[in-house]
Amino acid sequence: DAGVTQSPTHLIKTRGQQVTLRCSPISGHKSVSWYQQVLGQGPQFIFQYYEKEERGRGNFPDRFSARQFPNYSSELNVNALLLGDSALYLCASSSGAALDEQYFGPGTRLTVT
Amino acid sequence: GNSVTQMEGPVTLSEEAFLTINCTYTATGYPSLFWYVQYPGEGLQLLLKATKADDKGSNKGFEATYRKETTSFHLEKGSVQVSDSAVYFCALSPQTGTALIFGKGTTLSVSS
Repeated sequence: DAGVTQSPTHLIKTRGQQVTLRCSPISGHKSVSWYQQVLGQGPQFIFQYYEKEERGRGNFPDRFSARQFPNYSSELNVNALLLGDSALYLCASSSGAALDEQYFGPGTRLTVT
Repeated sequence: GNSVTQMEGPVTLSEEAFLTINCTYTATGYPSLFWYVQYPGEGLQLLLKATKADDKGSNKGFEATYRKETTSFHLEKGSVQVSDSAVYFCALSPQTGTALIFGKGTTLSVSS
């Protein structure tokens, strides 16, 4: 079975632009979470979606938004990009609302110049 | 608040050496504890977990015991291999099923 997939792999944007990152969970998984991993740091929780509804939100500004589609795939949107948004964005899926067993994708590397 | 502190890296070992990566946590209540591993160019993989005090998680020769009295969850392996070279993250979930809080990660480099 395919694992969690994310696209694109790498992305370069300019300050002030907007970006959309995509994630497809493991087949049968209904929960998707997004994490930001800045170089040299551990991942930080951004959002969790379960059954197309937001279940949790980390300490990130309103420039960050996400949604989940009927097929359980998800998009993370970031508006008005800042240099500090440069990071690896990780998507994780789990089968239910609980986040005990999360399976991570390879991530999208975003560079803001 | 909730937080995880890991030992600073990098940790450099020879093959077959004993490994310990220290992890301590701060949390209210009874968190679940995890170790994740990140190989170069890959996403995070769950290595092991423990959900209550005195539980021992184990996988692929790695072990960690949930010590509530010392608020620790140290990762150990008796004999490391070159293939164990990766970044190791300690994490907690403050309540069952809630989002993970990660430490900064510890880079392990094993040479033959």
